[in-house]
Amino acid sequence: AQRVTQPEKLLSVFKGAPVELKCNYSYSGSPELFWYVQYSRQRLQLLLRHISRESIKGFTADLNKGETSFHLKKPFAQEEDSAMYYCALSGLGGSRLTFGEGTQLTVNP
Amino acid sequence: GAGVSQSPSNKVTEKGKDVELRCDPISGHTALYWYRQSLGQGLEFLIYFQGNSAPDKSGLPSDRFSAERTGGSVSTLTIQRTQQEDSAVYLCASSLIGDVTYEQYFGPGTRLTVT
Repeated sequence: AQRVTQPEKLLSVFKGAPVELKCNYSYSGSPELFWYVQYSRQRLQLLLRHISRESIKGFTADLNKGETSFHLKKPFAQEEDSAMYYCALSGLGGSRLTFGEGTQLTVNP
Repeated sequence: GAGVSQSPSNKVTEKGKDVELRCDPISGHTALYWYRQSLGQGLEFLIYFQGNSAPDKSGLPSDRFSAERTGGSVSTLTIQRTQQEDSAVYLCASSLIGDVTYEQYFGPGTRLTVT
């Protein structure tokens, strides 16, 4: 069975501080990993995916197959980063997403 | 261009009534997904349509739930004999399978409240 775990429901940091949102997964095979973000009163949108190995809005995430983790990191958090973040996985080739329960990030001024 | 749209945005219904939720995917997207977002359950997969293939219904929570996709475009999710535990935000997403990104684009959701 595939599963995504985000251990922190709530995370609060101050502006300019580093932030790390944790994500662990279980999947029999080679999954595709994603981070989705939902800003207040906006729809869910893709932030980044592991196959692209890109940095979006200063966020990066590295897939660690040994630890089955895909933690999201940003060295200097901004107030506009406050949002709900979901880690998700799918099988290769695009299919249903399995989401974690989400982490509500609050960046305080 | 236009994104994924859903209607209605809000629906309040009495327990035991049937409801229909509509999703208009991005034009040309071959895959369409329904998810449910509820307190305590997070985001759950419900059903997945891909082209002319048989849909993946493995996420539907009971036989009161059904969905169809007409003409490879618009989809309707139907919940029969609604129960209070059906109260949630129902999200639709679409994607272009074959696109290496496999990005799913989400609609704004329909908030269903069963009283």
